[in-house]
Amino acid sequence: EPEVTQTPSHQVTQMGQEVILRCVPISNHLYFYWYRQILGQKVEFLVSFYNNEISEKSEIFDDQFSVERPDGSNFTLKIRSTKLEDSAMYFCASSAAGEQYFGPGTRLTVT
Amino acid sequence: DQQVKQNSPSLSVQEGRISILNCDYTNSMFDYFLWYKKYPAEGPTFLISISSIKDKNEDGRFTVFLNKSAKHLSLHIVPSQPGDSAVYFCAASPRDSGAGSYQLTFGKGTKLSVIP
Repeated sequence: EPEVTQTPSHQVTQMGQEVILRCVPISNHLYFYWYRQILGQKVEFLVSFYNNEISEKSEIFDDQFSVERPDGSNFTLKIRSTKLEDSAMYFCASSAAGEQYFGPGTRLTVT
Repeated sequence: DQQVKQNSPSLSVQEGRISILNCDYTNSMFDYFLWYKKYPAEGPTFLISISSIKDKNEDGRFTVFLNKSAKHLSLHIVPSQPGDSAVYFCAASPRDSGAGSYQLTFGKGTKLSVIP
């Protein structure tokens, strides 16, 4: 069964460093998303991406964040200068026209 | 800003009985609703969805009911099994499933424990 994959599963970084989280969406899906879940809080929408451009973004997705589909399979989330409050689980998701399918997540720890 | 509310943080049910998980929403623009199951250290797994043009959708042991006038939906699991023990999230979107890209607003989740 096709699934969304994410790497790495856990990333530890120092405050101020750049991180890139990687995702491989399901191959025939056209719509890609990033969500995050801070410990003990809700899953929150960050950004959606279609046809090589951002469709929607939330207030969380400020200038420190960017997304890219560098090739035909990968979808990346870059945080330029990490802050302590960026520590969270980051989930990638993809969809065709219906439900979104989520990856297993990357736990980002900013120290 | 709790547009999607799951007021029960936890629920315990005996194996074989019905589990009913509830979800309320406040945004009248929501017209597509989904339930996800999540195990620790894993991503949310899609279970079942419903569009606002329906009031019920069934898939095996899972049934979702939507009451638009009350802005309420529920997930019924019958019969409940120990493997159903997980956190269940309700999610909603202002776009119907056929509209392409859409953002989900999640509830806080309800932890279901099915007791053997």
